[in-house]
Amino acid sequence: GAVVSQHPSWVICKSGTSVKIECRSLDFQATTMFWYRQFPKQSLMLMATSNEGSKATYEQGVEKDKFLINHASLTLSTLTVTSAHPEDSSFYICSARGPTEAFFGQGTRLTVV
Amino acid sequence: GENVGLHLPTLSVQEGDNSIINCAYSNSASDYFIWYKQESGKGPQFIIDIRSNMDKRQGQRVTVLLNKTVKHLSLQIAATQPGDSAVYFCAEIRSGTSYDKVIFGPGTSLSVIP
Repeated sequence: GAVVSQHPSWVICKSGTSVKIECRSLDFQATTMFWYRQFPKQSLMLMATSNEGSKATYEQGVEKDKFLINHASLTLSTLTVTSAHPEDSSFYICSARGPTEAFFGQGTRLTVV
Repeated sequence: GENVGLHLPTLSVQEGDNSIINCAYSNSASDYFIWYKQESGKGPQFIIDIRSNMDKRQGQRVTVLLNKTVKHLSLQIAATQPGDSAVYFCAEIRSGTSYDKVIFGPGTSLSVIP
């Protein structure tokens, strides 16, 4: 089946630094990818839609200057958390639309200290 | 961002019993729904889907029921096993002009007692 890979699986960074998370579709092309954030014991919250070759579309309340999204190719989208703060610590999950359904990455656990 | 809710109800069942997980959705225009399973520290896995022109769909050990009148979905797991312990989410697929969004419900944590 189609696979979506995220990297890294977990990352610890210092407050004020930036962190980049990669999302790759391994065996299919994805013009659209999605980024979610999930806090402990909560649901996945859609942050933004990443569109290949154009600007990302952000959900209401999500700061586009803080969460930079780049979808430079049909198999790669990146999410950069800029000037990270402890409240940005969360589980970030990407998704890519395959031929028949959406596939999810394994998630990235971000801890900001 | 969109999110149906911030609560995570829990359900405990004995191994071998049947489990029923419920979900209410918000958008009456949604025409496609998916149940996902999420194990700790992992991304969601597709379990089963259903379109709005159906009221029931069966898979292997799982059945999804859809009641559009009251905007309610349920997931039934037969002969629940310890490996079924996870968080289960229903999701609405909202169609857009260029792409569909997957919007997750609040989730239910299923704990199987051996």
